[in-house]
Amino acid sequence: RKEVEQDPGPFNVPEGATVAFNCTYSNSASQSFFWYRQDCRKEPKLLMSVYSSGNEDGRFTAQLNRASQYISLLIRDSKLSDSATYLCVVNMVSSSGYALNFGKGTSLLVTP
Amino acid sequence: NAGVTQTPKFQVLKTGQSMTLQCAQDMNHNSMYWYRQDPGMGLRLIYYSASEGTTDKGEVPNGYNVSRLNKREFSLRLESAAPSQTSVYFCASRPRWAQGASYEQYFGPGTRLTVT
Repeated sequence: RKEVEQDPGPFNVPEGATVAFNCTYSNSASQSFFWYRQDCRKEPKLLMSVYSSGNEDGRFTAQLNRASQYISLLIRDSKLSDSATYLCVVNMVSSSGYALNFGKGTSLLVTP
Repeated sequence: NAGVTQTPKFQVLKTGQSMTLQCAQDMNHNSMYWYRQDPGMGLRLIYYSASEGTTDKGEVPNGYNVSRLNKREFSLRLESAAPSQTSVYFCASRPRWAQGASYEQYFGPGTRLTVT
């Protein structure tokens, strides 16, 4: 079982819509959580970190449920420029160090 | 700051040829990583270096070697390229992990490698 699982989509939504992405992770030792954005043929870039109390950055809201090992990203008032792949990322600490585990990504297409 | 740089941007190899992908970062980060990304597979970790002088295998290390040349540079070598190694390769770096911290990972622009 993959450590980080996401619905691959694609999610096709009209401009102005609200869309939510979900992600589950398997390792309860995971310590920090992120959403990355990846545009076509580009490198992933940090969208936002995810904090236990939930956090918001403009139109983007991230939530974390440690008990259910579940992370979400909500995008309100979608823009055409939000079209991208969104990667759920989980940081895990182990005896050999630490590693970021990436989900396979959820594809979003915002249409006019 | 240039951030994370990778060379080359594109490369075509014949089966059996060797090459080294170069990566450098100017952010004084301790940890560096090599990933490959294939359609439908997401990002998979090949090797990483938690700090200068150390390297460790990731999820898919077979067919690759790495060298952490100094704190700035981390190279990935394909000794005998195979078509299965056709992929996009990303290098990344990150500050040293610390308890309670939430440090992001910074990626280079990628190298698109085709092995024929």
